[in-house]
Amino acid sequence: NAGVMQNPRHLVRRRGQEARLRCSPMKGHSHVYWYRQLPEEGLKFMVYLQKENIIDESGMPKERFSAEFPKEGPSILRIQQVVRGDSAAYFCASSPLELAGSYNEQFFGPGTRLTVL
Amino acid sequence: QQPVQSPQAVILREGEDAVINCSSSKALYSVHWYRQKHGEAPVFLMILLKGGEQKGHDKISASFNEKKQQSSLYLTASQLSYSGTYFCGTEIGTAGNKLTFGGGTRVLVKP
Repeated sequence: NAGVMQNPRHLVRRRGQEARLRCSPMKGHSHVYWYRQLPEEGLKFMVYLQKENIIDESGMPKERFSAEFPKEGPSILRIQQVVRGDSAAYFCASSPLELAGSYNEQFFGPGTRLTVL
Repeated sequence: QQPVQSPQAVILREGEDAVINCSSSKALYSVHWYRQKHGEAPVFLMILLKGGEQKGHDKISASFNEKKQQSSLYLTASQLSYSGTYFCGTEIGTAGNKLTFGGGTRVLVKP
């Protein structure tokens, strides 16, 4: 059973360009979470999605950032007009959560390391 | 508000024990523990639910004090492979919500 997959693993963009980060959850998982990690810091929640729905986007910057999880295909985190401060590792995690009250184990992908020049 | 982890860093000799604490000011549904090695993804270790249920790694133990909203991770008879940064993530309300992570505890196990 393959784990959470993310691509690309490394992404270099110049200021003003767009960055698209992809996440394929583990088989059977329909819940996806995106987290950002700055160098030498902890993980910060960005957004939580289920298929075709955004459940919680309280951690997303109000501008330039968007996320989707379509019925078919991977979840996409999109950053428009990137700035140097967007340089970070972006991790996605997936969960098999089915029922409220059960365990919500989140399994992390290898991350995408974004560098903005 | 993010949970507070202590200590921030610990150095151990192989075979020694250590305890890492995670405290929250909010009533928690669950506490999750992860270990992250430099340049790698966080690896799931354990999840502890209010009410006493827990699930996780065979060789790692942890506790969750609901009255204090504090969890402790116990590294027993540490091995070199235990080196890394340990993060606790807290979940509020019910299962399925976001995790709010602490600042991490760096653990270095020396031979």
